[in-house]
Amino acid sequence: SQKIEQNSEALNIQEGKTATLTCNYTNYSPAYLQWYRQDPGRGPVFLLLIRENEKEKRKERLKVTFDTTLKQSLFHITASQPADSATYLCAHTGRRALTFGSGTRLQVQP
Amino acid sequence: NAGVMQNPRHLVRRRGQEARLRCSPMKGHSHVYWYRQLPEEGLKFMVYLQKENIIDESGMPKERFSAEFPKEGPSILRIQQVVRGDSAAYFCASSLPGGSANTGELFFGEGSRLTVL
Repeated sequence: SQKIEQNSEALNIQEGKTATLTCNYTNYSPAYLQWYRQDPGRGPVFLLLIRENEKEKRKERLKVTFDTTLKQSLFHITASQPADSATYLCAHTGRRALTFGSGTRLQVQP
Repeated sequence: NAGVMQNPRHLVRRRGQEARLRCSPMKGHSHVYWYRQLPEEGLKFMVYLQKENIIDESGMPKERFSAEFPKEGPSILRIQQVVRGDSAAYFCASSLPGGSANTGELFFGEGSRLTVL
């Protein structure tokens, strides 16, 4: 069955460093992957979408890559700030609706 | 310019009661999705609706749960005879016509948190 997986362990980094989060998928080849941010007690907010024919997509301090050979998407936050602390979710196109990974919690220490 | 509106934000029910959660999509959006999130877990898809149609309910439990999106008014997720395991955050999202997930982002509400005593 189609699976999308994220590292469930929290990622702790120092302010100013680059955070890198991983999303792996198995048993299928999604045409698109999306990344969302979720703060505690809030709904997810869309960040970026990357298509399978795009190697990389950037938005301000955010960068997403899509490696169809490794079946993996990487999400980078450069010059991280404490305000970037949140849970980050990757999502792919399911049969008809987005299917989400379980998310990775990022904690940026000042 | 309201976003996706969900109410109530918090709902407490006793076992056996009914819970009704409402969702008004963003203006111009005709597709609504319901997701459930248990504490410390990811979002699980439940149902996808367009006006007056259920497009995909593959994630919905077969019993006690139902959803509708009438021609007029909000989408409603209904849980009958609630049990403690139904305690969760229920998120609604909407998208533009043409569907979510193929290319478009989903716009989420702030969720309805159901607690079953």
